[in-house]
Formats: sequence, C-alpha cells, structure tokens
Amino acid sequence: DARVTQTPRDKVTEMGQEVTMRCQPILGHNTVFWYRQTMMQGLELLAYFRNRAPLDDSGMPKDRFSAEMPDATLATLKIQPSEPRDSAVYFCASGRDYGNNEQFFGPGTRLTVL
Amino acid sequence: GQNIDQPTEMTATEGAIVQINCTYQTSGFNGLFWYQQHAGEAPTFLSYNVLDGLEEKGRFSSFLSRSKGYSYLLLKELQMKDSASYLCAVRETSGTYKYIFGTGTRLKVLA
Repeated sequence: DARVTQTPRDKVTEMGQEVTMRCQPILGHNTVFWYRQTMMQGLELLAYFRNRAPLDDSGMPKDRFSAEMPDATLATLKIQPSEPRDSAVYFCASGRDYGNNEQFFGPGTRLTVL
Repeated sequence: GQNIDQPTEMTATEGAIVQINCTYQTSGFNGLFWYQQHAGEAPTFLSYNVLDGLEEKGRFSSFLSRSKGYSYLLLKELQMKDSASYLCAVRETSGTYKYIFGTGTRLKVLA
C-alpha cells in the first residue's frame, strides 16, 4: 500500500555540518508538510507545500533551514549549519486538501547533532 | 494567540471507556483533528471534525463544539494496543492554513 518514505531514518552529525532530509510523498497527494517533534515542544509545523508551492514556512528558522519541492515526488528539508538544538525527529507528511484532509506521516528522520 | 490544551497523561483499564479532552484558542478555525501516536512511531489519523457534533468511527468517536473551543476523543472498549499518545490538532486560516498540534495526551491502558 502507498506510504510516505523518508531518508535517512537516522542521522548523527556534528555541529556546523549540513543535513539534508528527503521525503517521497504518496503519489497523487497535493500537500506536503514538514514537522519537527521534540519531547519539550511536541509536534511543530515547519513548512507546508500545496501543489509544490510553498504556502507557509513561518515555523521554520529562516537563517539555517530551507525546504523545497524540486518535483512532485521529492521534498527536501535542509539545515545548514546544524546546531545541537536541532536534534529532534523530523516527520514529513502528505495529503489532499479536500475531504477529511487526513495527513499521512512518514516514519521520520531521527537527527542527533553533537 | 494560538493555544491547544490537553491533559498530559491518563490511565484507564482494559475494557473501559476514556474521554480525552482538548480545548483550543485559535483564530480562523477550519477544522480539528485527532491523531494517535505509538511510542517511536509516526502519528496516524483518527478523526476530523469541522462542524459541531459527534463523529463516530468504530470504537472511537470525536466531538466538537466550536462555540466553546472544545473537543473530545472518546475511546470505548479499551484494548492494550490503545496505549499511545493522542494528539489534538487545529487547522486555522490566517491567509494560508496553519496546523497547530497540542503536546499530546499519553494514555496508558492497564490490564
């Protein structure tokens, strides 16, 4: 059955390094979301695309984070330079912006910045 | 401002009924969602309410009162596998859609 896929599943890196996370949304979905989840903050929306156009990225630290959708099958979230406070689980989700607006989440990328 | 409140933890017994409450303060309300998240896994969709009233789906029901800024998730005939976090989320419109999640209610089901 169709699923959202994310790579890598786990990433350990050192402070200052660039991190790129990738997501393949479910075919036919027109919305893509990037979330960050930590114990303290819960699930926070970082960026949101509709038909590949960025709709909202107000939750994203602009100086170091960037999100793009180069095509309908790929969404990327980049952190440059990474900092220890970026350590979290990053989820990608996709959906359709009609009906019940259900979001289908990928398995997440667990990022650790040392 | 945006605010979603739900209890941090709840405990219930297998076979019982539990109600998880969620209150919210947002602008431009455009729907309320409930997601289930097992430890170490991704959230999965449970329900969506945009109009007042009760939506029932099997053992799970979700209720919404827009005038009170209030929702609840009702779980009946609790099973051990229902032990998970339950996330309340609101979609608000302020130019574009924004999705705001509560910090979740961790439900522990005891035998």
